[in-house]
Amino acid sequence: AQSVAQPEDQVNVAEGNPLTVKCTYSVSGNPYLFWYVQYPNRGLQFLLKYITGDNLVKGSYGFEAEFNKSQTSFHLKKPSALVSDSALYFCAVRETYKLSFGAGTTVTVRA
Amino acid sequence: DAMVIQNPRYQVTQFGKPVTLSCSQTLNHNVMYWYQQKSSQAPKLLFHYYDKDFNNEADTPDNFQSRRPNTSFCFLDIRSPGLGDTAMYLCATSGATGSLADTQYFGPGTRLTVL
Repeated sequence: AQSVAQPEDQVNVAEGNPLTVKCTYSVSGNPYLFWYVQYPNRGLQFLLKYITGDNLVKGSYGFEAEFNKSQTSFHLKKPSALVSDSALYFCAVRETYKLSFGAGTTVTVRA
Repeated sequence: DAMVIQNPRYQVTQFGKPVTLSCSQTLNHNVMYWYQQKSSQAPKLLFHYYDKDFNNEADTPDNFQSRRPNTSFCFLDIRSPGLGDTAMYLCATSGATGSLADTQYFGPGTRLTVL
């Protein structure tokens, strides 16, 4: 079965500093990887996905993610974090119709 | 704007009293999903429809049912809610290609509280 892991429950950064949210995957075959963000009491918002091609994927709100096959990782990055980026972030892998999510990482960006 | 709409946003019900949650979409997507998300946990798939074909996850309790009367609408029925069903319920849709590359788009969710 496909799975993803988010090794950090929480990430804390200062506004203006780089933000990285880690995700590792375990799949058989080609991985279809996604990042979503969830604000309090809201649904999940799609940020970006990796299907094939360039290892650096650019997404919404200035986020990007780097796919690394040798390290089986798909880390989410933002060069300069904003206070408004504080939220819960989920990495997910697609298997048939199902999205399997990681446990989530809570990001807090302090002013 | 094309979107996924869920109603109501907040629902309080009593133990054992049936409740229905609604989802509609203007994306004209073939596939619709219902996820359950308990407090700050990852969403868990309950079931999905591909057109009118219903697909239940093996561990979804019988208490949870779904209806999809047309492409745009999908309902989640909880026949006899228990306290453990308190959660956020998320509806999602994905495109018609059936490809693994299709993105799932989520609605804002319905927060259900069972008292």
